[in-house]
Amino acid sequence: DVKVTQSSRYLVKRTGEKVFLECVQDMDHENMFWYRQDPGLGLRLIYFSYDVKMKEKGDIPEGYSVSREKKERFSLILESASTNQTSMYLCASSFSQNQPQHFGDGTRLSIL
Amino acid sequence: AQKVTQAQTEISVVEKEDVTLDCVYETRDTTYYLFWYKQPPSGELVFLIRRNSFDEQNEISGRYSWNFQKSTSSFNFTITASQVVDSAVYFCALIDGAGGTSYGKLTFGQGTILTVHP
Repeated sequence: DVKVTQSSRYLVKRTGEKVFLECVQDMDHENMFWYRQDPGLGLRLIYFSYDVKMKEKGDIPEGYSVSREKKERFSLILESASTNQTSMYLCASSFSQNQPQHFGDGTRLSIL
Repeated sequence: AQKVTQAQTEISVVEKEDVTLDCVYETRDTTYYLFWYKQPPSGELVFLIRRNSFDEQNEISGRYSWNFQKSTSSFNFTITASQVVDSAVYFCALIDGAGGTSYGKLTFGQGTILTVHP
């Protein structure tokens, strides 16, 4: 089974802090994705990566950056956290672009 | 542009009832891929099924079945003899745009909240 592991289930940070969310997959997948999920807005793609050191903006990249130094790890960075970034963050990976994305358990991030 | 519509925001049934979750999609492409995911209260998204646009054969997996009809651009999901453990949010999703910049990006519907009462 594919295992996608997110570093924290719950996280509380303060406004202005730099926040790192880590995601690791164990299936040698090429593609990795970061989403946020908010009530009434559904799932929205923040950034994705189809290869090591490669990144592409999704639908809502503002205020975020990503890093993919190794194939199995994809990090989401909130450069200066703001309260409107309080959300559920979901990481996913897939073997190829038309294959299912497999998701981690999610990180509920609260910015105070 | 691609779009996925799940018109049913919430459905409530009693255990052992059958329930169908509707999904209608829009795409200009002839090659595309459809998915269903389940999100239980614990929060993780669980992959259920993938269908490509060239395979209209219906699929059954235990109590779950899927009906794909290209003529109506629908990919509906039926749970037979529902159980309390089926309570979750269910998402239909689409990948299209093979070879383009959007290829590989999932377009999700808004989700249907299913509650199964004992």
